[in-house]
Amino acid sequence: LAKTTQPISMDSYEGQEVNITCSHNNIATNDYITWYQQFPSQGPRFIIQGYKTKVTNEVASLFIPADRKSSTLSLPRVSLSDTAVYYCLVGDFSSASKIIFGSGTRLSIRP
Amino acid sequence: EAGVAQSPRYKIIEKRQSVAFWCNPISGHATLYWYQQILGQGPKLLIQFQNNGVVDDSQLPKDRFSAERLKGVDSTLKIQPAKLEDSAVYLCASSLGDRDEEKLFFGSGTQLSVL
Repeated sequence: LAKTTQPISMDSYEGQEVNITCSHNNIATNDYITWYQQFPSQGPRFIIQGYKTKVTNEVASLFIPADRKSSTLSLPRVSLSDTAVYYCLVGDFSSASKIIFGSGTRLSIRP
Repeated sequence: EAGVAQSPRYKIIEKRQSVAFWCNPISGHATLYWYQQILGQGPKLLIQFQNNGVVDDSQLPKDRFSAERLKGVDSTLKIQPAKLEDSAVYLCASSLGDRDEEKLFFGSGTQLSVL
């Protein structure tokens, strides 16, 4: 099992860039890194997925160093609506029980 | 595109009663997952289906939980008998099953309270 470690909580302000780092020292060769966002009373929502280097989509960027032992989710110019719990997952969903959600990072955005 | 549909949204039962949850995945999604999310924790996988076959049920408490996915589309998750510790949100998710990008789409869940 690829265990992940991420901060329990983070605070930031509207308009700032937020970076959430996740450690996954025992990542396997076939493992992908995936981030999900969850609002209260909703299921998690896929944000971004990557294998190495940098991936960017319309909502976030994911930076993965060469050794892949960590990754950083970058949210540009956050707003109040980005207040949520963010989960870093590592693994291969061909066997989903090996992918642990953990407790996530509770991000709070202030005006 | 319609999302993952789950019902009921809320359910309150007494311990030792039985309960069932229903999930309709996104059309065309081969893989279906049931997760249990206890308050303050991340979701925990209960069972994973590929079409109508079970891929992984290693974390399903089989003495009281059961799940089926008839015809590879809708799925039901049942708890019989329920215990107090089963109080949680039960999330259903589906995915294409495409190994190139494994993106799960979650429903809003069923919040179960066992009294």
